[in-house]
Amino acid sequence: ETAVFQTPNYHVTQVGNEVSFNCKQTLGHDTMYWYKQDSKKLLKIMFSYNNKQLIVNETVPRRFSPQSSDKAHLNLRIKSVEPEDSAVYLCASSMGGRNTQYFGPGTRLLVL
Amino acid sequence: GQQVQQSPASLVLQEGENAELQCNFSTSLNSMQWFYQRPGGSLVSLFYNPSGTKHSGRLTSTTVIKERRSSLHISSSQTTDSGTYLCAPPSSNTNKVVFGTGTRLQVLP
Repeated sequence: ETAVFQTPNYHVTQVGNEVSFNCKQTLGHDTMYWYKQDSKKLLKIMFSYNNKQLIVNETVPRRFSPQSSDKAHLNLRIKSVEPEDSAVYLCASSMGGRNTQYFGPGTRLLVL
Repeated sequence: GQQVQQSPASLVLQEGENAELQCNFSTSLNSMQWFYQRPGGSLVSLFYNPSGTKHSGRLTSTTVIKERRSSLHISSSQTTDSGTYLCAPPSSNTNKVVFGTGTRLQVLP
């Protein structure tokens, strides 16, 4: 049963545009994450966030930024997309950073 | 549900020694991914390994799907290898990823 929702499913845009992806979880979790899944299927964490702390992977370019209105929502904004940003972006949530993370279906981004 | 057990839970090495980290999972999977978690929390992907052996510098990952296990070998350890090593199946086929319990590695100078 889906409890982590992501929109859009798929987005095509051009270099230099701004995009924003939405993520909402209905599990009552207090920690949310954004991952980038590359063509080799590697999951690379970009951000983890709860209402106390934002942990940023230092390899994430500054054009990426998380946006949260409350603990059930964590959106991802990309200010000026580049071709290497083409990937699947996965949102996840957990309770207190425990071992099990629940993932959304992903947003596939294609930058032309 | 899927359970992922890692061993040892913690390991202390002298710089230059080798380490062997194990990951065992309870149900069938198609692959395994290894992560390194720095002190302070950020995760780094190390390997995506469907089966067999993969190398990256001083790291070697071996996954045997039939036996439901994966291992991570660190050769000639360095102090900068200190941190927590986590294994987890990738999320491509499921909406729930269970990370292993982790191996906390400390490499002393």
